Amino acid sequence: AAGVIQSPRHLIKEKRETATLKCYPIPRHDTVYWYQQGPGQDPQFLISFYEKMQSDKGSIPDRFSAQQFSDYHSELNMSSLELGDSALYFCASSPQIAGEAYEQYFGPGTRLTVT
Amino acid sequence: AQSVTQLGSHVSVSEGALVLLRCNYSSSVPPYLFWYVQYPNQGLQLLLKYTSAATLVKGINGFEAEFKKSETSFHLTKPSAHMSDAAEYFCAVSWKAAGNKLTFGGGTRVLVKP
Repeated sequence: AAGVIQSPRHLIKEKRETATLKCYPIPRHDTVYWYQQGPGQDPQFLISFYEKMQSDKGSIPDRFSAQQFSDYHSELNMSSLELGDSALYFCASSPQIAGEAYEQYFGPGTRLTVT
Repeated sequence: AQSVTQLGSHVSVSEGALVLLRCNYSSSVPPYLFWYVQYPNQGLQLLLKYTSAATLVKGINGFEAEFKKSETSFHLTKPSAHMSDAAEYFCAVSWKAAGNKLTFGGGTRVLVKP
């Protein structure tokens, strides 16, 4: 079965650089979520999209932005990178049927290292 | 505020012994409840979910969890631990009214001793 695809899997950037993370949801899943997992921490919700519109926003820095495209893939853009942005970034997708919380399927994550 | 708590950041069990991981939530409205497992350097895999149907939920790999509204708990169990169960386990909750985003507990790392 098709799973959530994230690219790149690993990314190394220097401080103040920009990074773009991509997420390709499971086919026919119209909702995408982004989470950030710092070292030894649990994942924290960043932002979500439903039908290409932002549906919810969590603790996402203003330096970060995201969007969902017409083919439902999503990109997380991170600018002015800081050392503290080093983390594992997960994308998850789910179908939304009548607003019910169907389970989220997670991608393998992108490990971002900022040096 | 709505939250989820996992009791015990580390659990050590012997192979063949019972695995019990505790999860409690804080909310006046019962949430949707999930257990995810994360192996080193991998993504999160859904073990099981509770969405207001049967209170005893069976998942993959022999795991099950019971929703107890009176105790606001959703503890995860497996009768007999296997070496391959060594991983980190996250309890997560979501609420329809809060956009269905997942809020995770702190995680419990399971070590299985031979």
